[in-house]
Amino acid sequence: NAGVTQTPKFQVLKTGQSMTLQCAQDMNHNSMYWYRQDPGMGLRLIYYSASEGTTDKGEVPNGYNVSRLNKREFSLRLESAAPSQTSVYFCASSERGQWLYRLEAFFGQGTRLTVV
Amino acid sequence: KNEVEQSPQNLTAQEGEFITINCSYSVGISALHWLQQHPGGGIVSLFMLSSGKKKHGRLIATINIQEKHSSLHITASHPRDSAVYICATQETSGSRLTFGEGTQLTVNP
Repeated sequence: NAGVTQTPKFQVLKTGQSMTLQCAQDMNHNSMYWYRQDPGMGLRLIYYSASEGTTDKGEVPNGYNVSRLNKREFSLRLESAAPSQTSVYFCASSERGQWLYRLEAFFGQGTRLTVV
Repeated sequence: KNEVEQSPQNLTAQEGEFITINCSYSVGISALHWLQQHPGGGIVSLFMLSSGKKKHGRLIATINIQEKHSSLHITASHPRDSAVYICATQETSGSRLTFGEGTQLTVNP
């Protein structure tokens, strides 16, 4: 099983450039997430998708857009990159239970993005 | 808003030592996750707990719901255990996770 696959693993952008981070999961999970991880901070939620066709803002959505293309894929787009978006980005997925929220989260390997 | 605090921030141990990493949170939760982040960046889910205790090999995780506290123990630590260990709580109202800052563990041979 591949689990959660993110591409690319590394990227350097110039300020103002755009790019899309791709994420795919093969576990038939309903929920998918994009996080960023910065030094001295816990992972912070950018956007999430509770199910196919829905997306919601997380803690730090400004400067990002997302697309839940289908149940497997959830992409994150930076329309005009800024140095403050230099970070490590993680995609994650989980299965949403119908009783208590006994969820287990699966993470991708991360994308290290540098904006110069 | 739920605050998740881990201690210590950094931990250095000698191979074979028993290690404890602590996590405290401030509001009621439905579950707590322990994650391991390797130097290469990938994050692996170690445990998901809603009560009591779980054990996988040399790793043991406990949670006390009343005290809003969880611990991750590593018995007979090994240099390959060197990683960042992250605690994350699951809200009762939804599927969002709140993460601690992580504990950097270094185990020396």
